[in-house]
Amino acid sequence: DQQVKQNSPSLSVQEGRISILNCDYTNSMFDYFLWYKKYPAEGPTFLISISSIKDKNEDGRFTVFLNKSAKHLSLHIVPSQPGDSAVYFCAASALGGSSNTGKLIFGQGTTLQVKP
Amino acid sequence: GAVVSQHPSWVICKSGTSVKIECRSLDFQATTMFWYRQFPKQSLMLMATSNEGSKATYEQGVEKDKFLINHASLTLSTLTVTSAHPEDSSFYICSARVRKGTSGSLLTYNEQFFGPGTRLTVL
Repeated sequence: DQQVKQNSPSLSVQEGRISILNCDYTNSMFDYFLWYKKYPAEGPTFLISISSIKDKNEDGRFTVFLNKSAKHLSLHIVPSQPGDSAVYFCAASALGGSSNTGKLIFGQGTTLQVKP
Repeated sequence: GAVVSQHPSWVICKSGTSVKIECRSLDFQATTMFWYRQFPKQSLMLMATSNEGSKATYEQGVEKDKFLINHASLTLSTLTVTSAHPEDSSFYICSARVRKGTSGSLLTYNEQFFGPGTRLTVL
């Protein structure tokens, strides 16, 4: 049962354009979402996060949008740069309530290629 | 920033041997560390949650007797793959959790910082 899904395994965009990476989840208990960037043979690097009390969070070129009713979030990168080429994982966690294990459930990842 | 290290970064061993992987939070204390495994072109799969001073909590399908986890201090957790077999070959990644909280609120901001990973190859 894949609770967090990234249905696009790959995405290719031109440098300077917008990259939009999508993520869907099924568990309504998730209330905190994160995006990580990962290069081969390295650990993930935290990019940006969003709490379910918000629908948008922006940090420089990165913006995450959350649509709770659709159980969907997206990461926008604008303008895209060749150095952004990597695998992007979305992750979800359930923080609220008395049981906060901090567990992150990851999607399958989307490989982004930004062409010069 | 928060730095997490792993040692070794890669290891090759013979089938049947045991391998220990260390995960250290270098500049912060981590009450909780997580161990993940990633097979090629797949997602990071959580193996277990390790809390300092207590037994690890394993995810369904993960053999606790095969993957021994010790979290003896607030900065160190170890994963030992016992009697390793070729199917255990994978990329193992740890993360350390930093907790920030709002006073009086159950909602905590869950920041996890990941180590660089350990590539295990079992021959």
